Amino acid sequence: KNQVEQSPQSLIILEGKNCTLQCNYTVSPFSNLRWYKQDTGRGPVSLTIMTFSENTKSNGRYTATLDADTKQSSLHITASQLSDSASYICVVSEAGGSYIPTFGRGTSLIVHP
Amino acid sequence: DSGVTQTPKHLITATGQRVTLRCSPRSGDLSVYWYQQSLDQGLQFLIQYYNGEERAKGNILERFSAQQFPDLHSELNLSSLELGDSALYFCASSVDRGAQYFGPGTRLLVL
Repeated sequence: KNQVEQSPQSLIILEGKNCTLQCNYTVSPFSNLRWYKQDTGRGPVSLTIMTFSENTKSNGRYTATLDADTKQSSLHITASQLSDSASYICVVSEAGGSYIPTFGRGTSLIVHP
Repeated sequence: DSGVTQTPKHLITATGQRVTLRCSPRSGDLSVYWYQQSLDQGLQFLIQYYNGEERAKGNILERFSAQQFPDLHSELNLSSLELGDSALYFCASSVDRGAQYFGPGTRLLVL
C-alpha cells in the first residue's frame, strides 16, 4: 500500500530561524513528489515539484531535496517569517496510466515572533 | 487567487440529504480533481476527470459521484449524507500531470 509519512507532526520555531521538514514514502512506481503549503481554511498552494532525476529544487526561501533511492524528501525553510505558519503537505504521485496521488498528513509549522 | 473557483463556500445540511458542489477550473486546464479534507484524515483524493472523462478514482464512496461537463466545469454530488461527511471539499485543476492549483474549498457541515 502506498504511504507518505511526514515528520514532525508539528513544529514551533522562532522568526528568523531555519527548519527542515521530512517526508518518507513507499509509493511505487514513483512519478513525482510535490510539497504544498496550506494556510488554515484555504486550499493548498504548490511550492515545488520534483521528478525522479531531480535532487534539489528551490522556490525562494523554500528548498526541497529528493533522494529517490531511500525514498526520502525534505523541505528546508530558511529565515522563517510569521507568514510561513501553515501546514506543509508532501504528495507523491504514482507513475502509470492513471494519476493517483498519495498525501501525507502534513507538518503544522508555527512561527513565533 | 489560484484561478479555480468553487461554490458554495459554505453548506449546512441535514443527514440523509443530497448536495452538489461545483468547481470551475483554471482557464486552459483539462484536469479536475476532487479532494476531501477532514480534521482527522488530512487530504484524501476522491476522483479525477480529464477533458470530460473519468481518469482516476481514489477513496470515493458509492454515495458520492462526480462529472465533468463539456465546458470543463465539474460537479461533485454527495447523497445520503452522514455526519462523517462533514469536511472541507477541495477542487484542483491542472493542465495534465503538472502542478495542481487548488480552489478555496467548500466547507460542508452535516447536522
